[in-house]
Amino acid sequence: DARVTQTPRHKVTEMGQEVTMRCQPILGHNTVFWYRQTMMQGLELLAYFRNRAPLDDSGMPKDRFSAEMPDATLATLKIQPSEPRDSAVYFCASGSLAVLWVDEQFFGPGTRLTVL
Amino acid sequence: AQKITQTQPGMFVQEKEAVTLDCTYDTSDQSYGLFWYKQPSSGEMIFLIYQGSYDEQNATEGRYSLNFQKARKSANLVISASQLGDSAMYFCAMREDKIQGAQKLVFGQGTRLTINP
Repeated sequence: DARVTQTPRHKVTEMGQEVTMRCQPILGHNTVFWYRQTMMQGLELLAYFRNRAPLDDSGMPKDRFSAEMPDATLATLKIQPSEPRDSAVYFCASGSLAVLWVDEQFFGPGTRLTVL
Repeated sequence: AQKITQTQPGMFVQEKEAVTLDCTYDTSDQSYGLFWYKQPSSGEMIFLIYQGSYDEQNATEGRYSLNFQKARKSANLVISASQLGDSAMYFCAMREDKIQGAQKLVFGQGTRLTINP
């Protein structure tokens, strides 16, 4: 049963610390998305990759957030320095590009981040 | 501008009844896709159903069906014979299909569905 995995599932940190979240997309999927979910803003796209290349990171605060795909089996989202307003659930999703677009995105279980 | 609107923040339904969750969308694209996801209290996002803008038939997946009215720009989710396990948040999302750039999902604010025994 292929699934997207994310680590850690929960993270509590202090303001100013670096946070790294990891995602393993489903094997063979070539599109990876990072979303953030908060009560106030709902689900927002932060960044997305196709074939490991970043295609859109316009939703991501550039001064403190960075997203990378060092290889096809790992995507990372880093926050440095973290702030309390970054507290949210961060989802990774992967999909398979069919023709020109992704038919379905499979979501990971999320990383619940709390910044004190 | 809000691209996806879910006007029902919460709904309460008796078990075994059918329920319709509303979703309207805004796009000028001809090619797009509409999705419904379920998020139970455990937090994971579960894909339920997909409708392409060129699909003439309404999508169905088991007890889920999508009432697609293109002229009205609505994509309501219908759950037949509701079960206690259907209690969750439900999100409508749209993907605008572009040859270049992002095929990203834009989500609505969600509807919290509670099924009463």
